[in-house]
Amino acid sequence: AQKVTQAQTEISVVEKEDVTLDCVYETRDTTYYLFWYKQPPSGELVFLIRRNSFDEQNEISGRYSWNFQKSTSSFNFTITASQVVDSAVYFCALNHRGFISNFGNEKLTFGTGTRLTIIP
Amino acid sequence: DAGITQSPRYKITETGRQVTLMCHQTWSHSYMFWYRQDLGHGLRLIYYSAAADITDKGEVPDGYVVSRSKTENFPLTLESATRSQTSVYFCASSEVAAFNEQYFGPGTRLTVT
Repeated sequence: AQKVTQAQTEISVVEKEDVTLDCVYETRDTTYYLFWYKQPPSGELVFLIRRNSFDEQNEISGRYSWNFQKSTSSFNFTITASQVVDSAVYFCALNHRGFISNFGNEKLTFGTGTRLTIIP
Repeated sequence: DAGITQSPRYKITETGRQVTLMCHQTWSHSYMFWYRQDLGHGLRLIYYSAAADITDKGEVPDGYVVSRSKTENFPLTLESATRSQTSVYFCASSEVAAFNEQYFGPGTRLTVT
C-alpha cells in the first residue's frame, strides 16, 4: 500500500530559526516521485519540488533544502533562517503507478500535512 | 485569464440536493484531478481524468460523479449531497502524467446543511 506519513501535525518556531519537516513514505514501486507542496493561509496549493526515486542528491533552493534518503524512505524538508512568510501547511506527496485501469493509474497520495507557524 | 479556475468559490447547499462544482483550465493539460481536503486527512483524491472521456476513481469516489467531454473542463457533481461531503474541494491539472507537478485551482468551500 502507498502511504505518506507526516508525523508532525504542528510546528512553531521563532523567526530566523531553522526547521525541518519530516516525511516518511511507503511504496512497493521501484520508480516513484515525491513532492512537496505549500498551502499558505490564503488556501492555494503551491508546488515546491519534485524528486524521482533514482535521484538521491539533496536539493537546495535558496533557504529551502530537501534531503531524500531511500534507505529510510524519507524525504525531509528544511527551511533555513525561517521567515514569517514561511507560515503555511506543508504537504508531502507520493506519486505511484497502479495497474487497475488500462490507461495507467498514476495518482498522488498526500500526507496529512504539517502546519508550520513562524513566530515573529 | 490563463490558469485553472474553480466555481463557485463558496457554496452552501442542503442535504439531498445535487451540486456541481466546475473546474476549467487553459493549459490544455491532459490530466485533471479532484481532491477534497479535510482536517486530519490532508488531500484525498476523488476522481481523475487522463484525457477527454477517460476518467477513473480515486480514493474516495462514493457519492460523486465526474465527466470530461472537453479537455479544459472537469466538473464534479454531488448527486445527493450529504453533511459528510462538507469540505474544501480542489481541482488540479498536470501535463502528460501525474508524475509531473500538479497545478491547483483556488478551491471551493462547500457546506452541506
